Amino acid sequence: EAGVAQSPRYKIIEKRQSVAFWCNPISGHATLYWYQQILGQGPKLLIQFQNNGVVDDSQLPKDRFSAERLKGVDSTLKIQPAKLEDSAVYLCASSFLATVPEQFFGPGTRLTVL
Amino acid sequence: GIQVEQSPPDLILQEGANSTLRCNFSDSVNNLQWFHQNPWGQLINLFYIPSGTKQNGRLSATTVATERYSLLYISSSQTTDSGVYFCAVVSGGSYIPTFGRGTSLIVHP
Repeated sequence: EAGVAQSPRYKIIEKRQSVAFWCNPISGHATLYWYQQILGQGPKLLIQFQNNGVVDDSQLPKDRFSAERLKGVDSTLKIQPAKLEDSAVYLCASSFLATVPEQFFGPGTRLTVL
Repeated sequence: GIQVEQSPPDLILQEGANSTLRCNFSDSVNNLQWFHQNPWGQLINLFYIPSGTKQNGRLSATTVATERYSLLYISSSQTTDSGVYFCAVVSGGSYIPTFGRGTSLIVHP
């Protein structure tokens, strides 16, 4: 069974530029999560989807971050414009359902904002 | 929201030693998972354990949901056990996961 796929693995941009991350969850998993992990901290949930609907986005900085999961499968997370403090690893995870929340993580995207 | 506290924050062991990592949480939970984040940043599932005890090789975990804590036991530690161990909970009714700050483990040969 294929795991959660993410791309790119690494990205370096300058502040005020835009960037997008892509995630493909495990086949059949209805719930998809995006996390931000700053060095030395635990992952922080940014947004949680159930199919193509948003379950929670209370910690998503909506003035600059956006995410979509149009067909209930793949998802993209965008930052526009990026700030220095957005430097972090962005992790995508999926689970079968929100009510069966055993999560499986992708390899992450390491973002550096200069 | 729910608070998740992990202890100790840092742990240094000699190869072959045993250790116990603790996760305390402030409210009832639907789910609890233990993860190992390896030096390359990949989060690897160890246990999905909202209650009870599970074992997988040298690792075992126990969650006592009524007392709001979980323990991860590592026996006969190996250098490959090095990394950060995270506890993540899903609080009752919300289905929103929250991670602790992790325990950083270094195992010396």
